[in-house]
Amino acid sequence: DIQMTQSPSSVSASVGDRVTITCRASQGIRNWLAWYQQKPGKAPKLLIYAASSLQSGVPSRFSASESGTDFALTITSLQPEDFATYYCQQANRFPWTFGQGTKVEIK
Amino acid sequence: QVQLVESGGGVVQPGRSLRLSCAASGFTFNHYAIHWVRQAPGKGLEWVAVISHDDSKKEYVDSVKGRFTISRDNSRNTVYLEMRSLSAGDTAVYYCARDRDYGLGSYYFAHWGQGTLVTVSS
Repeated sequence: DIQMTQSPSSVSASVGDRVTITCRASQGIRNWLAWYQQKPGKAPKLLIYAASSLQSGVPSRFSASESGTDFALTITSLQPEDFATYYCQQANRFPWTFGQGTKVEIK
Repeated sequence: QVQLVESGGGVVQPGRSLRLSCAASGFTFNHYAIHWVRQAPGKGLEWVAVISHDDSKKEYVDSVKGRFTISRDNSRNTVYLEMRSLSAGDTAVYYCARDRDYGLGSYYFAHWGQGTLVTVSS
């Protein structure tokens, strides 16, 4: 199975900060990567697909990039509603696998 | 709008069976693959199974192969997850999710239900 390793596991930040979360795949997945946001007690929400494409309705302060097997999600100017847990997911090969999650907390 | 509603969760004894349902609305159901994704309490997300839009293809994570069966009834706009020989490790919130893209799909989970909790305990 393809392992997805996220870092950091948690980050404390303030409203207005820029936050970057990274995800590394254990093998090449081309650009078959998604990012999700999950708030407590809620289902995840798709933010980014195909490594860097913004899902419809997602604010433009969310962006993403890729470099080989390394992927990054950046939130510019963090908003109160962005405090949540973020997961990456590879869609290159069965079984689809997720990173362990990164919790973005209020400083 | 797209809506997915799971049902069928509950408390079940180890070794027993349970069937989950996912009722869909707001889109052309037989155009999209549907997935099940689970989340153990306080843990991360684990993809469990997928069924293709036309029921021709099913895939499972190794930990449930031979115990779980995914199926769909396109006349009822519903997907099912039949779970057998349940153990404590299957305790989780089970979400159904619609693929982002129609047809062969892209294996991105664009729409999710609210989840149903399955607790395996004696």
